[in-house]
Amino acid sequence: EADIYQTPRYLVIGTGKKITLECSQTMGHDKMYWYQQDPGMELHLIHYSYGVNSTEKGDLSSESTVSRIRTEHFPLTLESARPSHTSQYLCASSDGLGRTDTQYFGPGTRLTVL
Amino acid sequence: AQSVTQLGSHVSVSEGALVLLRCNYSSSVPPYLFWYVQYPNQGLQLLLKYTSAATLVKGINGFEAEFKKSETSFHLTKPSAHMSDAAEYFCAVSEPGNTPLVFGKGTRLSVIA
Repeated sequence: EADIYQTPRYLVIGTGKKITLECSQTMGHDKMYWYQQDPGMELHLIHYSYGVNSTEKGDLSSESTVSRIRTEHFPLTLESARPSHTSQYLCASSDGLGRTDTQYFGPGTRLTVL
Repeated sequence: AQSVTQLGSHVSVSEGALVLLRCNYSSSVPPYLFWYVQYPNQGLQLLLKYTSAATLVKGINGFEAEFKKSETSFHLTKPSAHMSDAAEYFCAVSEPGNTPLVFGKGTRLSVIA
């Protein structure tokens, strides 16, 4: 079983607040990802990183930002939360074998912005 | 760009019946294909993957998938559904180069007692 952790699991917060969703993995993986998952299940890649100090935007435009200062840590920040940010956020890492990479997912953070 | 299409956003089967979840891919190069499963309130986990070795791939929990190049398909099957198989299932394709997986929109499997 993969060791990838997300905190908090659930977060209810008011509009305008700054929030940081935490994601950590203990597998030493270089590659990490953030997905936004709609209520209807579809996954949207919003950010990814292939190593320390490397971050890229994904397919879905997002007002969030990420940082990768340590290999094991990939936090996602929303400077000013809005109701449109209400969603589930999934973090993942991969074992870096190339196109046959397996991605390991955390349990997700379900965010509700009032 | 490569893509996957999952036919049917929701599939319902009776317990003990065959499970068939459909995935078709679009790719200009030999694809690498994956099936992931998401149980309620959890992240995704890998069921199986095709990496150009055997065309019939066996995964966890009795699932398997067959790569059919002529049909550009990678359908997921299980001979006999169990209540615990109720979950969301995602097909994904790996693009050439160092880019992330491309996921399909997912299929929700319901198992009726």
